[in-house]
Amino acid sequence: AQKVTQAQTEISVVEKEDVTLDCVYETRDTTYYLFWYKQPPSGELVFLIRRNSFDEQNEISGRYSWNFQKSTSSFNFTITASQVVDSAVYFCALSEETKAAGNKLTFGGGTRVLVKP
Amino acid sequence: NAGVTQTPKFQVLKTGQSMTLQCAQDMNHEYMSWYRQDPGMGLRLIHYSVGAGITDQGEVPNGYNVSRSTTEDFPLRLLSAAPSQTSVYFCASSPWGTGSYEQYFGPGTRLTVT
Repeated sequence: AQKVTQAQTEISVVEKEDVTLDCVYETRDTTYYLFWYKQPPSGELVFLIRRNSFDEQNEISGRYSWNFQKSTSSFNFTITASQVVDSAVYFCALSEETKAAGNKLTFGGGTRVLVKP
Repeated sequence: NAGVTQTPKFQVLKTGQSMTLQCAQDMNHEYMSWYRQDPGMGLRLIHYSVGAGITDQGEVPNGYNVSRSTTEDFPLRLLSAAPSQTSVYFCASSPWGTGSYEQYFGPGTRLTVT
């Protein structure tokens, strides 16, 4: 069975500090996909990134960066120079590769990030 | 495109009542699903569908029913509401494929069962 663990339930930082969110996953599949979603206080879920299991390159998008390490089954997310607008709950999620499994996502418990001015 | 829409946004039920949460999408996606979100537990899959007439159970299906008569609509029925079903419910859709597709989520329905 698949499992996603986000050990940090809440992180509080002061604006302009960097913050790293940890995500550790378990799966028996050799091909899988990892996602990060953001849930701002308004409640909607916003897609941030998708990464497949064969692509271990780190990725940077503006102030966001992702570090995928297959050897440690981790897909960590860093916000550089945090801003108040980054305050949200962030979810890491995992899906299988097989079409039979559909697009079912297994989510972690989420990490609430609070950025104080 | 409206994307994924859900109604109602908020609902209060008494124990034992039944109701239907509506979900519709206008992106012609084959795959639709329902998740519930509870504090500290992330989102958990209730039911999903890979096309009209085809549904299957997810991780937490008990107490819920679904049907898919059209590509656009995927309603979730609570048969006899219980306080344990107090949660935020999200509907999602995507093309059906190998798990690589981004899910498009609706705005959610906050349900309270007293």
